[in-house]
Amino acid sequence: AQSVTQLGSHVSVSEGALVLLRCNYSSSVPPYLFWYVQYPNQGLQLLLKYTSAATLVKGINGFEAEFKKSETSFHLTKPSAHMSDAAEYFCAVSEDYGGATNKLIFGTGTLLAVQP
Amino acid sequence: DTGVSQNPRHKITKRGQNVTFRCDPISEHNRLYWYRQTLGQGPEFLTYFQNEAQLEKSRLLSDRFSAERPKGSFSTLEIQRTEQGDSAMYLCASSASFGSSYNEQFFGPGTRLTVL
Repeated sequence: AQSVTQLGSHVSVSEGALVLLRCNYSSSVPPYLFWYVQYPNQGLQLLLKYTSAATLVKGINGFEAEFKKSETSFHLTKPSAHMSDAAEYFCAVSEDYGGATNKLIFGTGTLLAVQP
Repeated sequence: DTGVSQNPRHKITKRGQNVTFRCDPISEHNRLYWYRQTLGQGPEFLTYFQNEAQLEKSRLLSDRFSAERPKGSFSTLEIQRTEQGDSAMYLCASSASFGSSYNEQFFGPGTRLTVL
């Protein structure tokens, strides 16, 4: 069965500092991996996705993530945090094979706070 | 492309009443998903449609829940005899089964249900 673990339900960084949000996954087949961002009372916006084309994935707003199969990880990073990055971030996994629904399995989320 | 829309955005109801939510997916997307998100948690999969066919339902979807997607366009999610435990954000997402955005799920803003 697929699962996602996000370490750290709350992360606080200073503006301009490195952002690192951790995600580990479990999947019985090669996974598709996603990072979504959610602002208060809004739906989810896709930041980036891994689909086996390249292990380093660049997304919107300066975020990127690296797929490490040996570590079953897909951590999200951004070199310099901005106040507007304050939001909740969700890592998700889906399986892609014949007949799959590609439903997303989400982690519990990491709330990112950015201090001035 | 106007994105995924959901109505209503907020719904307050009394325990025991029936409620119905609507989701309008991106027009060219043939896949449609419903998720439920409770406070402090990631979204949880409820059900999946490919065109008009409902192909998967989660164990979370009790007999009080029913979803439809007539003609493979908009979808409705109905909850009968609502309970306080049904209070949550209900999210709809759509995706294409082909093309450059294959397997990317685009989320609507959600419907927040409060059961008193």
